[in-house]
Amino acid sequence: GAGVSQTPSNKVTEKGKYVELRCDPISGHTALYWYRQSLGQGPEFLIYFQGTGAADDSGLPNDRFFAVRPEGSVSTLKIQRTERGDSAVYLCASSLRDSNEQFFGPGTRLTVL
Amino acid sequence: AQSVTQLDSHVSVSEGTPVLLRCNYSSSYSPSLFWYVQHPNKGLQLLLKYTSAATLVKGINGFEAEFKKSETSFHLTKPSAHMSDAAEYFCVVSDRRGTSYGKLTFGQGTILTVHP
Repeated sequence: GAGVSQTPSNKVTEKGKYVELRCDPISGHTALYWYRQSLGQGPEFLIYFQGTGAADDSGLPNDRFFAVRPEGSVSTLKIQRTERGDSAVYLCASSLRDSNEQFFGPGTRLTVL
Repeated sequence: AQSVTQLDSHVSVSEGTPVLLRCNYSSSYSPSLFWYVQHPNKGLQLLLKYTSAATLVKGINGFEAEFKKSETSFHLTKPSAHMSDAAEYFCVVSDRRGTSYGKLTFGQGTILTVHP
């Protein structure tokens, strides 16, 4: 079956611009996670949705970052006023409600010039 | 609170020799522990997971890991390395209760190089 998909695969933007990154989870997975992987580092947790609501957003670095999941399926990570330090691979994962086995998408590589 | 320390940033082995990637963890509750592999330009793939059943966990591609609570370790091993094992490996912890539930905490990664 289809895995987690993320679009775009690559995004290049200029400092100060707004970007949206999209994640399509595995069908039937109610939990959805966003992580950020900087060069040479392990992924770091950003936010976790259970259904439509954000159950834990403690990993969002500041108020320029926001994520939504309005219908409990597709999620969009939004970054305002991008900075060069936001450059990273943004990973999305999904899981069944009562499972902590997460399935990862291929990621979106964001480059802020 | 949960954390993971991968003790080696790089490990280099010859094809056909054993692999050992070391991991220590810290967790406030009974943890779930995972090893993920990331090949260049590919997504993260789950190798194996521990969730309080058998302490010796077998995964894909001949890898296994042993949960040792007394040592807070979860080292990854493979008896005989293959060229295709060259990749970056992440040890991961997840608390199964509390405010960290659902959140994976990754180690810094170990890059495994396999020489012919």
